[in-house]
Amino acid sequence: NAGVTQTPKFRILKIGQSMTLQCAQDMNHNYMYWYRQDPGMGLKLIYYSVGAGITDKGEVPNGYNVSRSTTEDFPLRLELAAPSQTSVYFCASSYRGGPGQGNYGYTFGSGTRLTVV
Amino acid sequence: ILNVEQSPQSLHVQEGDSTNFTCSFPSSNFYALHWYRWETAKSPEALFVMTLNGDEKKKGRISATLNTKEGYSYLYIKGSQPEDSATYLCALDSGGGADGLTFGKGTHLIIQP
Repeated sequence: NAGVTQTPKFRILKIGQSMTLQCAQDMNHNYMYWYRQDPGMGLKLIYYSVGAGITDKGEVPNGYNVSRSTTEDFPLRLELAAPSQTSVYFCASSYRGGPGQGNYGYTFGSGTRLTVV
Repeated sequence: ILNVEQSPQSLHVQEGDSTNFTCSFPSSNFYALHWYRWETAKSPEALFVMTLNGDEKKKGRISATLNTKEGYSYLYIKGSQPEDSATYLCALDSGGGADGLTFGKGTHLIIQP
């Protein structure tokens, strides 16, 4: 049981380059999330998805795009990398049931450390 | 934007001592409160998810309490061990659908042998 798998672990990008951070989970979780972690700050939500085909913006979505074509995969795309996107990125997934059902913790991936120069 | 505050920011504790730290959140936006343990170079790992006022949860030497009326939760560690050194995050689920958790900045705990 792999949990949440994120790739790559490290990446250096030049300003203006593009890249996709991959995230896959094998727990049949319906909800998936992308967070970024900056020094001295809490985790900030970039985008989230409640199921295949459905995505929505979080607190800090500018400069990013996502898609959720399958339950398992939730890639994060940076189109024109900027130095402000230097950060550590975490993908997470969780199962959320309907009202009155269980509330479960998130499972996080191992993170991607991205530097834009 | 919801404000989740954790204190202290960092804490040094002698091995064998017990310790606790606080998470405060707006009580009017409460659905659930999460605690995570985050070791250096690893990813956050879920400890507890708490939903009811007065809830108390325990996992080994670690326990947590919840007061939703006044908007705070305490995390306790009994008989600290070096392997307890980590950053402890709390996060508020405001129940606004699926828009994720609002995380505090964490309490960085260092256990000194």
